[in-house]
Amino acid sequence: GAVVSQHPSWVICKSGTSVKIECRSLDFQATTMFWYRQFPKQSLMLMATSNEGSKATYEQGVEKDKFLINHASLTLSTLTVTSAHPEDSSFYICSARPSGVSYNEQFFGPGTRLTVL
Amino acid sequence: GNSVTQMEGPVTLSEEAFLTINCTYTATGYPSLFWYVQYPGEGLQLLLKATKADDKGSNKGFEATYRKETTSFHLEKGSVQVSDSAVYFCALSDHPWGGISGGSNYKLTFGKGTLLTVNP
Repeated sequence: GAVVSQHPSWVICKSGTSVKIECRSLDFQATTMFWYRQFPKQSLMLMATSNEGSKATYEQGVEKDKFLINHASLTLSTLTVTSAHPEDSSFYICSARPSGVSYNEQFFGPGTRLTVL
Repeated sequence: GNSVTQMEGPVTLSEEAFLTINCTYTATGYPSLFWYVQYPGEGLQLLLKATKADDKGSNKGFEATYRKETTSFHLEKGSVQVSDSAVYFCALSDHPWGGISGGSNYKLTFGKGTLLTVNP
């Protein structure tokens, strides 16, 4: 089956530093990837849609200068949390939609737990 | 805008009990509906889907029927197992299952998730 990995699975950083999270589709190409944020006992909140070779589309209320997204290849998207603060602590999940298919199925990564001290 | 409301958990059942997790939605047009499952330590996996009214999605003994008149997509299983313990998410997509469109139309809107624990 289609597998999506995320790295790292967890990270602890100091306030003010930047953290990069990778999302890879291991056995398929993904023109479109999505980044979600999940708070405890809350739903997944879509942050942005990442399209290979173009700028990401951010959801309303998401700071694009704080959450930098790069989708430089068909198998890799990265989310960089710049100048992280404790309120950025959360569980970040990516998903990838296979290229060239006519149906809307997304495959999810296992998530990355970010803790900002 | 779109929204999904699902039954708050946690839900605790004994093995072989009947399961229902309620899900209702608000959307424009004719969304596709999904149930995703997240096992401990793993990513979300698609459990089942329905793409039009009265469709029944089914997988691994789970079923859900797309009810347009009640805007619902309740998840059911007749006899749960310990291995079904997980978090279940109801979700919808504006984009029809069988069609091609721009990337932004593939957005999923999720409910808050329901933690199910099945005891032996």
